[in-house]
Amino acid sequence: NAGVTQTPKFQVLKTGQSMTLQCAQDMNHEYMSWYRQDPGMGLRLIHYSVGAGITDQGEVPNGYNVSRSTTEDFPLRLLSAAPSQTSVYFCASSRTSTYEQYFGPGTRLTVT
Amino acid sequence: GENVEQHPSTLSVQEGDSAVIKCTYSDSASNYFPWYKQELGKRPQLIIDIRSNVGEKKDQRIAVTLNKTAKHFSLHITETQPEDSAVYFCAAMDSNYQLIWGAGTKLIIKP
Repeated sequence: NAGVTQTPKFQVLKTGQSMTLQCAQDMNHEYMSWYRQDPGMGLRLIHYSVGAGITDQGEVPNGYNVSRSTTEDFPLRLLSAAPSQTSVYFCASSRTSTYEQYFGPGTRLTVT
Repeated sequence: GENVEQHPSTLSVQEGDSAVIKCTYSDSASNYFPWYKQELGKRPQLIIDIRSNVGEKKDQRIAVTLNKTAKHFSLHITETQPEDSAVYFCAAMDSNYQLIWGAGTKLIIKP
């Protein structure tokens, strides 16, 4: 089992560029989520999904889109990157919403 | 929506002593309360969790207590060791299936 994988590990974008952060899991988990983590802060929920075809907004969804066409994949799209989106992004999955979340290794994103 | 507050932000204890971290939440319908440990540069990992139908749960040196009436829960670590040094996060799963996190506690174990 690879668990939760994320690509890329590091990314530098210019303001206004768009990109997709990839997330995949091979544990057949129903629940997947995206977080951002800024220095000195906890994780903030961007978007989440309780199953294939179902997504919903978290605490800080503005500037991000997601889709969940399969159980395995949950990509996060940055529509028009801004310096305020400089952060570490974590993808996580769990069997259901009230079970242990397994995290990917994270993507460190810098927007200049 | 749910709001989770965590205290203290930094906790320094002597090796072998106990450490207690406290969290409060606002959504009375929240039903799942995990605690995660994050070492520097690594991903968060679950150390213990508790559901709303249970008041206390223990796993070796780690315990969590939940007071639903007061809407607070606490992490207790006994006989602290150097490898316990990390940032600890509490979280609460609200009625909309959103996991809302506290801001974290940096635990420092002094030798």
